[in-house]
This record gives sequence, C-alpha cells and structure tokens, in this order.
Amino acid sequence: SQTIHQWPATLVQPVGSPLSLECTVEGTSNPNLYWYRQAAGRGLQLLFYSIGIDQISSEVPQNLSASRPQDRQFILSSKKLLLSDSGFYLCAWSVGRTYLTSNQPQHFGDGTRLSIL
Amino acid sequence: RKEVEQDPGPFNVPEGATVAFNCTYSNSASQSFFWYRQDCRKEPKLLMSVYSSGNEDGRFTAQLNRASQYISLLIRDSKLSDSATYLCVVNSNAGGTSYGKLTFGQGTILTVHP
Repeated sequence: SQTIHQWPATLVQPVGSPLSLECTVEGTSNPNLYWYRQAAGRGLQLLFYSIGIDQISSEVPQNLSASRPQDRQFILSSKKLLLSDSGFYLCAWSVGRTYLTSNQPQHFGDGTRLSIL
Repeated sequence: RKEVEQDPGPFNVPEGATVAFNCTYSNSASQSFFWYRQDCRKEPKLLMSVYSSGNEDGRFTAQLNRASQYISLLIRDSKLSDSATYLCVVNSNAGGTSYGKLTFGQGTILTVHP
C-alpha cells in the first residue's frame, strides 16, 4: 500500500531563516505531488504541484520554492522566511500519468506546523 | 464567485441526528468530486468520492447534480466522532492535463454533541 511521509511535524523558525520541508511517498511510482499551505482557520491553498522529476509548477507567487530531485521526493524550501509564511504545510500525492489522473483523489501527509517568530 | 463554495457552519447537532452539507462549484467542466474530512490540527482525509448516480458508504450519502453544479453530503445517525470539518473538493482542470488539480472548499464545521 502507498504511504506518504512528511517531516518535521512541527517547526519554529526565526524570521529570515531558511526552510526545508521534506516529503516522500512509498508504494507507488510516478505520482503527482503537491504542496499546500493552510493558514489558521482558512482553506487549503495549493502552492506547487509536480508531475515528474524536475517538473514543478508554482500556483502563486511567493517566498517559497519546491524541488523534486527524485521520483517520490518533494521538497519545499525558502531562503528567508517571512512572518506570513507561518501555517500548516501539507504534502499530498495522487496517481499520475494515466488517463484516470483527473479522477484521482489526493492523499495527504501528516503536515508540518510552521511558526515564524 | 469562488470555485467551490460551502456553508461554513458551524453545524451543532445532537447524536443520532441527520445532517446535510451543501456545496456548489463554478466550473461546469469539472469531472470529479470528493468529500474530505479534516479533524482539528490534522491533515484532510478522503471520506468518499461522489459519483454521478449518487453513492452511499454506511451512514454517509453523497449526491451530485451536474445541471445545478451542486454536491451534497448527508450524514445519518450522527456520532460524536463525526465532529470535524468537511471539505468539498472538485477537480478543476478541464481535460487533457495530467496533474489532477483539485480545488478545496473552505469547509463546513460539524460538532456533534451528546
């Protein structure tokens, strides 16, 4: 069965510090991968999605970047965190590269709660 | 108009009650629909897909009305453990693309009390 691992679970960082959140998926190949942010009391905002290694699209202009160095690894980064980067970051995967992709649900990791001080 | 709109609630119901959530979506080309459940400070989890003919999973029934671009979720015999935020989710890319982008509603908060 497929599993998704995301870490760390919580993180407290000072303004201006760098960020690296990692997500890995097991039990599937060529998944679509996604990074979301959920601000307190708000809905999910899609930040990045990826359909393959080094194929990443950004949904919103921001202070963050994403990379996919391996098929099942997705990394969210920042060189300098802002206060507004605080939130709950979620990685997700879905079945990719089949004609059924558009009908597939997404499955989420446990999330990282990021607080910027 | 938002792509996916839900009544934010909160809905406060007693155990055993039947409760219904509604959701509307704006993209008539949307092809797939889901309900997710999110517990406080946790990740969203897939509750059920929504099929054109309507579908049921135990106490949960989902309906889709494409003409009205409307989705519903009915929960019968509510349990305390049903307390959560329910997210209406719609596939928002119209054919051809392979990334399966989903758009999440803001969620409807449900509290089931004894």
